[in-house]
Amino acid sequence: EAEVAQSPRYKITEKSQAVAFWCDPISGHATLYWYRQILGQGPELLVQFQDESVVDDSQLPKDRFSAERLKGVDSTLKIQPAELGDSAMYLCASSFSGRATDTQYFGPGTRLTVL
Amino acid sequence: AQSVTQLDSQVPVFEEAPVELRCNYSSSVSVYLFWYVQYPNQGLQLLLKYLSGSTLVKGINGFEAEFNKSQTSFHLRKPSVHISDTAEYFCAVSDQRYSTLTFGKGTMLLVSP
Repeated sequence: EAEVAQSPRYKITEKSQAVAFWCDPISGHATLYWYRQILGQGPELLVQFQDESVVDDSQLPKDRFSAERLKGVDSTLKIQPAELGDSAMYLCASSFSGRATDTQYFGPGTRLTVL
Repeated sequence: AQSVTQLDSQVPVFEEAPVELRCNYSSSVSVYLFWYVQYPNQGLQLLLKYLSGSTLVKGINGFEAEFNKSQTSFHLRKPSVHISDTAEYFCAVSDQRYSTLTFGKGTMLLVSP
């Protein structure tokens, strides 16, 4: 069964350092999402891609976060500089077309700890 | 704007007992509703979804949910839980106007022997 891949699974960094997360969606899925999940909360959308284009990045803190999906396949989320409040689980998901009825398939996530 | 309220942050239950996890939503247009499960340090897995038609939706692992438009609810039920059902459960909503998912804060189901 096809799965969404993410790496690394865990990342510990010091504040003010740069971190990057990678996601490879299910093959053939046009839509890719990055979510942030703070402990004890539900996931919150950071950015949505349709192929290589950003559809929604209204909740992305653009002063320190950036995301790209250059060839419309895999994607990278970067934080520079990291802050203590960025400690969270970062989840990547993909769906076939991005319609509201589509199922989103989630990867295992990257747990970030900022010291 | 959409919103989802999961009324219980934790639900403790004994093995083989029935369970109901409550979810209420708010949206001004027709909605699509989802339940996801998250095991510790893992991503989310879809349990079931309501798009249209029959208001009773059956999902994986013996779970089912009922869509109630008048009460704006989508409660999740299982007639007999197992230890392995211990996990966090998230209700989510999307709609025709806003296709991305809005999640509730989650309900931790704790099944004990």
